[in-house]
Amino acid sequence: SYELTQPPSVSVAPGQTATVTCGGNNVGSKSVHWYQQKPGQAPVLVVHDDNDRPSGIPERFSGSNSGNTATLTISRVEVGDEADYYCHVWDTRRNPSGVFGGGTKLTVL
Amino acid sequence: EVQLVESGGSLVQPGGSLRVSCAATGFTFSAYWMHWVRQVPGKGLVWVSRISRDGSTTNYADSVKGRFTISRDNAKNTLYLEMNSLRAEDAAVYYCARDREGNYYDSGGFDHWGQGTLVTVSS
Repeated sequence: SYELTQPPSVSVAPGQTATVTCGGNNVGSKSVHWYQQKPGQAPVLVVHDDNDRPSGIPERFSGSNSGNTATLTISRVEVGDEADYYCHVWDTRRNPSGVFGGGTKLTVL
Repeated sequence: EVQLVESGGSLVQPGGSLRVSCAATGFTFSAYWMHWVRQVPGKGLVWVSRISRDGSTTNYADSVKGRFTISRDNAKNTLYLEMNSLRAEDAAVYYCARDREGNYYDSGGFDHWGQGTLVTVSS
């Protein structure tokens, strides 16, 4: 089955830029979506289709996707951005199914 | 306002069955593909199943295929997940989620999620 690999944790100081990667075989050929999940809450879509933001999501959140790596970039990080972040794709190769990365805990120092 | 409200989670014995539901309001339910995603507390998100707008197409994760059945009642704006032969590893919070622009070949991302319902599998 298709796999997405994320670093377990990323740390960044307030005001700096955080980068969360999502690795997968030729993931650049797929549409990647990103979710933010804070403790005790449901996930929230922050980027869809590689680099589009839903309404209400700050411009500080952006994405890119090429080759074997998709990236979520959070500029001017705020304390409130501390959360778990998950990447997600749809895999149609054998058994059509959704695939999530393992998640990355973003810590704002 | 779009709302998804899950219900039906409970404690069930291994080998038992349970049906969880997701009531949708604030949007045209029949116009969207819908999904179930589960999460063991403290662990990551795991996709479980999806269903097309009219219910004619369904897909399942390998781990639940043959045991779980997804369905929907567009007249009642409700999504269901029937779970049979439950195992300890099925214990999780089950979320329903709306696919923003889903189609047969792809997902547009899940733009609305419910608050989840907890399924516990234990004797």
